[in-house]
Amino acid sequence: GAVVSQHPSRVICKSGTSVKIECRSLDFQATTMFWYRQFPKKSLMLMATSNEGSKATYEQGVEKDKFLINHASLTLSTLTVTSAHPEDSSFYICSARDTSYEQYFGPGTRLTVT
Amino acid sequence: QKEVEQDPGPLSVPEGAIVSLNCTYSNSAFQYFMWYRQYSRKGPELLMYTYSSGNKEDGRFTAQVDKSSKYISLFIRDSQPSDSATYLCATPGYSSASKIIFGSGTRLSIRP
Repeated sequence: GAVVSQHPSRVICKSGTSVKIECRSLDFQATTMFWYRQFPKKSLMLMATSNEGSKATYEQGVEKDKFLINHASLTLSTLTVTSAHPEDSSFYICSARDTSYEQYFGPGTRLTVT
Repeated sequence: QKEVEQDPGPLSVPEGAIVSLNCTYSNSAFQYFMWYRQYSRKGPELLMYTYSSGNKEDGRFTAQVDKSSKYISLFIRDSQPSDSATYLCATPGYSSASKIIFGSGTRLSIRP
């Protein structure tokens, strides 16, 4: 089956620094990638949708200047949390979709901002 | 009203029991439905998908869609402790190319 990887799986950073999370589709070309945020015992909250070579579309209430998304190739998207603060601590999950409707999810990245 | 509603649980059943997980959706135009399983601190994995009404079976799992009542279900037969996870129902809404709308997830625990 289709595999999506994320790196790093866990990251701890200091308040005010920036953190980059990578999402890769390993065995297929992802025309669209999605970034989600998940709080403990809660469902996934879509943050943004990115199509390769285009600007990401952000969901209402998500700060585009704080959560920078780049989808430079058909197999890689990155999420950069800029000037991170403790309230940005969360589980970030990406997913990738090829030409079908199925989305394949990455294993998630746990971000802790101290 | 949320587009997809799901009882968050938690639901605890003994090993071997039949589990029934349910969701309702608000828009009768929705056609595709999925069930994802998410283990703790992991990303969701697609379990099953269905299109329109009816049943779809895969091993111990059966997905059911009742469009007349806008109700979707996932049945797990002969439940195992390894089935303990959060189960999320989802739909891409109007079009298979749309972003996915998730239910809140039901936490399931299978007691040995």
